Amino acid sequence: NAGVMQNPRHLVRRRGQEARLRCSPMKGHSHVYWYRQLPEEGLKFMVYLQKENIIDESGMPKERFSAEFPKEGPSILRIQQVVRGDSAAYFCASSPGVVDTQYFGPGTRLTVL
Amino acid sequence: QKEVEQDPGPLSVPEGAIVSLNCTYSNSAFQYFMWYRQYSRKGPELLMYTYSSGNKEDGRFTAQVDKSSKYISLFIRDSQPSDSATYLCATSLMDTGRRALTFGSGTRLQVQP
Repeated sequence: NAGVMQNPRHLVRRRGQEARLRCSPMKGHSHVYWYRQLPEEGLKFMVYLQKENIIDESGMPKERFSAEFPKEGPSILRIQQVVRGDSAAYFCASSPGVVDTQYFGPGTRLTVL
Repeated sequence: QKEVEQDPGPLSVPEGAIVSLNCTYSNSAFQYFMWYRQYSRKGPELLMYTYSSGNKEDGRFTAQVDKSSKYISLFIRDSQPSDSATYLCATSLMDTGRRALTFGSGTRLQVQP
C-alpha cells in the first residue's frame, strides 16, 4: 500500500510566480491535511479537506493561499504571487476517517528566489 | 505561550541509553496524543498514539500521558544510532470538524555509537 505521495519534492519559484503543490492520499483515505514547516520551526496546520469540501481552513493565510481536494485527482495547495517568506517545507497528511491518525507524505520543499 | 512546549535539544546520548523526551501542553481540551519521528529532510513518521492517561508500549518505545499535569513523554529503551532524528510530540482535539494537529517544536536526538 503506497504511502502519501507528494509532488514535486522540490520546487523553485521566483517572487511573484505561482506554486502548485500536489498530494495524493493513501489508498482508502478521504481526509487530507496540509501543514507548513518553516526553517527551525515546528509543523503548523494550514487546512483540512475532504473530497470537494474544505472542513477547516483556520491555519491558512488570508491571502494568496488556497486549497482544493476535487472528486477526482490529488489535493492541490496553491500559492499565488509567492514571496520569500513562503519558502518552507509543505507536508500533506491523510487519514481514513475523521478521528483516525494522520500519516504524512515526504513533503515539498519550496524555495522562493 | 505556545500550546505545546518541547525542549529543542539537541540531546546526545550513548548507544544503549534510555532516552526520555518530554512535552507539556496548555489546552486541557486536547484528548489525542502522538509522537512522530522525523529524519532530516523527510516527512514525519508516526511512532505512537494514545487517547488516555497512562502508558502505552510498542517494542522499545513507551508513550506516557498524564492529563492531570498536561505532560506527555516518550521513552526509548536500548537506543540505537538509527534512532538519531527529531522527535515531535503532537496533540489534537476530538472534534470532528477540527482535526488539526498541534505540534511541539521537536527535540533533536543524537545517539552516539
